[in-house]
Amino acid sequence: AQKITQTQPGMFVQEKEAVTLDCTYDTSDPSYGLFWYKQPSSGEMIFLIYQGSYDQQNATEGRYSLNFQKARKSANLVISASQLGDSAMYFCAMRGFTNKLIFGTGTLLAVQP
Amino acid sequence: EAGVAQSPRYKIIEKRQSVAFWCNPISGHATLYWYQQILGQGPKLLIQFQNNGVVDDSQLPKDRFSAERLKGVDSTLKIQPAKLEDSAVYLCASSSLRTSGRPINEQFFGPGTRLTVL
Repeated sequence: AQKITQTQPGMFVQEKEAVTLDCTYDTSDPSYGLFWYKQPSSGEMIFLIYQGSYDQQNATEGRYSLNFQKARKSANLVISASQLGDSAMYFCAMRGFTNKLIFGTGTLLAVQP
Repeated sequence: EAGVAQSPRYKIIEKRQSVAFWCNPISGHATLYWYQQILGQGPKLLIQFQNNGVVDDSQLPKDRFSAERLKGVDSTLKIQPAKLEDSAVYLCASSSLRTSGRPINEQFFGPGTRLTVL
């Protein structure tokens, strides 16, 4: 069975500093994809970044980067230079052979001025 | 391009009543998903459509939930009768198999419908 674990219910970070949100996963599928989504208080899920299991390099998208450690089954999200608008829930998700997205329980990030 | 549209945004009903949610996916997206997100949890897939056919409904409580996508475009999710534990945000998402430099089958989400069952 596939499982996503996010062990940080909440995180604080000072504006302009970097923050790492943890995500570990479990799957028996040989090929899979890992996603991070942001959910602000408005409720919409916003796609941030994607990492394929066979991708050789860690994914980056602007201020977002994904620290992918396949052997440890971890896919941590790093946000550099945090901004007040980054305050939101962040969800890690995995897509396996069935194409279904499995989400973690999320991490609430609060950026402090 | 226009995003995924959902209505209503909010709905309050009493238990045992019926409710329906509507979703219009991004134009051209063949795959449509309905998720249930209970407060404090991540979204859970209820049903996935490919065009107007069901791909996965393994987690849909079929005794009370139903969904249809008759013309392969917009979709309706219905709950009849509602229970207190159905209080949640219902998210609709859509995806396309075209890559266009982005992850295959990246899902785009609508704003959700927040359901409160009293």
